[in-house]
This record gives sequence, C-alpha cells and structure tokens, in this order.
Amino acid sequence: QLQLQESGPGLVKPSETLSLTCTVSGDSISTSSYYWGWIRQPPGKGLEWIGNIYYSGSTYYTPSLKSRVTISVDTSKNQFSLKLSSVTAADTAVYFCARPVRGNYGSSGYYYYWGQGTLVTVSS
Amino acid sequence: QSALTQPPSVSGSPGQSVTISCTGTSSDVGTYNRVSWYQQPPGTAPKLMIYEVTNRPSGVPDRFSGSKSGSTASLTISGLQAEDEADYYCSSYTSSSTWVFGGGTKLTVL
Repeated sequence: QLQLQESGPGLVKPSETLSLTCTVSGDSISTSSYYWGWIRQPPGKGLEWIGNIYYSGSTYYTPSLKSRVTISVDTSKNQFSLKLSSVTAADTAVYFCARPVRGNYGSSGYYYYWGQGTLVTVSS
Repeated sequence: QSALTQPPSVSGSPGQSVTISCTGTSSDVGTYNRVSWYQQPPGTAPKLMIYEVTNRPSGVPDRFSGSKSGSTASLTISGLQAEDEADYYCSSYTSSSTWVFGGGTKLTVL
C-alpha cells in the first residue's frame, strides 16, 4: 500500500529556509512515471499548489513562489524534498506531499495519495 | 495565475442534490479537460473525488459527478448524506504546465 510521510522542522525563523522531505513507501519514484507534488494549506484557508517533480528531476513551480522554491528528488532514498527560502509568517501552513493517479491526459495533478501533512510555523 | 473561483458555501438537506461551481479562464478550465475535485473534512488530507472533469476514482460513490461548460466546471452531489459535509476544492491544469486550486466551498448538510 502506497504511503507518503512528510518530515522536517515544525518551526522555522523568518528569513530562513523551510526544508521538508517526503518519504515514499509502497511505490518507487524512479520506476513509476508520476509527477510527485507539494501542496500547502495555511490554517483555516484553502489549498495552494506549490510544485511537482518527475523522477528525472524535471520540475514545475507555481509562479508566485517560483523565485523561492526548489523541489528535488533522491531516487536512492525514494524521497523528494521541498525547500522554500526567505520565509515569512505567510508561509505558515500545513504542507502535504502527494502522488497523482494516471489519467488519459497525463500523470500529474490528480492527487489520490496524500501524506498526513505537517504543520510548519514561521516565527521567531 | 489566479485561484479558480468557487462559492464560499453551499447547503442542502439530506436526499437533495447540490452543485458546486468552479470558474476559471481560457488559460485553465476553459482549455483543458484536466479538472479535478477534492473533498476535505476538517483536520484531514484532501480526498480525490473526480479527475479529468468526469472520472471517479475507485471507491467514490456515483452520487458524485462532474461536468464542464466553457470555463466553468461543476461538481454535483446527489442524494446528499450527512457524511458529505466537508470543504470541496476544484483544481485545474494551466497553460503554464502548473496546477491551480479553487478557493474552496464549505458544504453544509442541513
């Protein structure tokens, strides 16, 4: 059974870099042709798509965060990671990693498998 | 890219049908049949209910259906049940090869 688990610091200081890792079990990032995604949700607010990554390292980022976001993959550890630099209080959110199902039009964006989410608070 | 537009809230009585709209632009919903819908009860991760406008993942009841006309997609829930009470989000692929979510709609079952 496919499982995703986010890990990383729950508290980050303003102006520093938020770093999270998603560990995948029950599927292989390197052999399954999916775009693995990061999505966040500020407390009491809606979902925001951050970006995604293919096993080859190909990435796409939402324009509003593109200058601060880096998503990378480590196929040897079956993990993919998120880095968000120069964080402010507005980056406080629950961060989810997710894997889509395959559709007729591709294998990205239809997120069926989700991690439980991890709350990251930006505060001094 | 701007968030897709959803009504903040909808409501219905058990057994009734409700429809949630999701309005985008020609850069997303209007051009691509890559619209999905998620259900999110409080404190849980979202659950995929519909993808590619009309497709239901296995295990999703056929009471949930999706459609699209122009730049507006819709999720219809028929035979409303108390367990359907949750937040619902739409999402669409965009011309920038990215994805965008709607602002979310709170469904209340009266």
